[in-house]
Amino acid sequence: DQQVKQNSPSLSVQEGRISILNCDYTNSMFDYFLWYKKYPAEGPTFLISISSIKDKNEDGRFTVFLNKSAKHLSLHIVPSQPGDSAVYFCAASPKYNNNDMRFGAGTRLTVKP
Amino acid sequence: KAGVTQTPRYLIKTRGQQVTLSCSPISGHRSVSWYQQTPGQGLQFLFEYFSETQRNKGNFPGRFSGRQFSNSRSEMNVSTLELGDSALYLCASSLGTIEQYFGPGTRLTVT
Repeated sequence: DQQVKQNSPSLSVQEGRISILNCDYTNSMFDYFLWYKKYPAEGPTFLISISSIKDKNEDGRFTVFLNKSAKHLSLHIVPSQPGDSAVYFCAASPKYNNNDMRFGAGTRLTVKP
Repeated sequence: KAGVTQTPRYLIKTRGQQVTLSCSPISGHRSVSWYQQTPGQGLQFLFEYFSETQRNKGNFPGRFSGRQFSNSRSEMNVSTLELGDSALYLCASSLGTIEQYFGPGTRLTVT
């Protein structure tokens, strides 16, 4: 059962523009949401997280927005850089630990120079 | 601090065989989780160990098993391999919070 869905398998943007990656979830028990970035031949690396008590969290060029009523979150990257080209995974957990985390299928972002 | 290491990095096995994958977490991390990554499916949670105890298990058949040792190193075993088991197997370590640190993975190919 895909409780976390990333409906866009790929996204291409121009360097300097905004990248918006989307994620939907079905389980209303999820309280923590994360984004991971994955380069080829490497494991995913943690990017940014947000808890359900917030609707926005910023870290430099990366901002995550959470809309609980719509069960939707998005990751904004501004400005996008070629080094941001990677696969981005959305993840969700009902607790503040890692023993029941669910991941989306990933979105491959390509930032063109 | 050294990151999460996984061995071997690549493995080719035949249907019906069994395989054991190894994961060494970041020093001090007592939680180790295992995930299976296949194209289009993302990361599927296999199981999580904390201080040698399995705390949770994903929806995988009993052919998939794991264990954790007293030094927090973990192994994952798959018996009676099937073609569909071909995947990237990722291990992640954590202090027990939601932030996990992943290893580079073991690419398993079953022929």
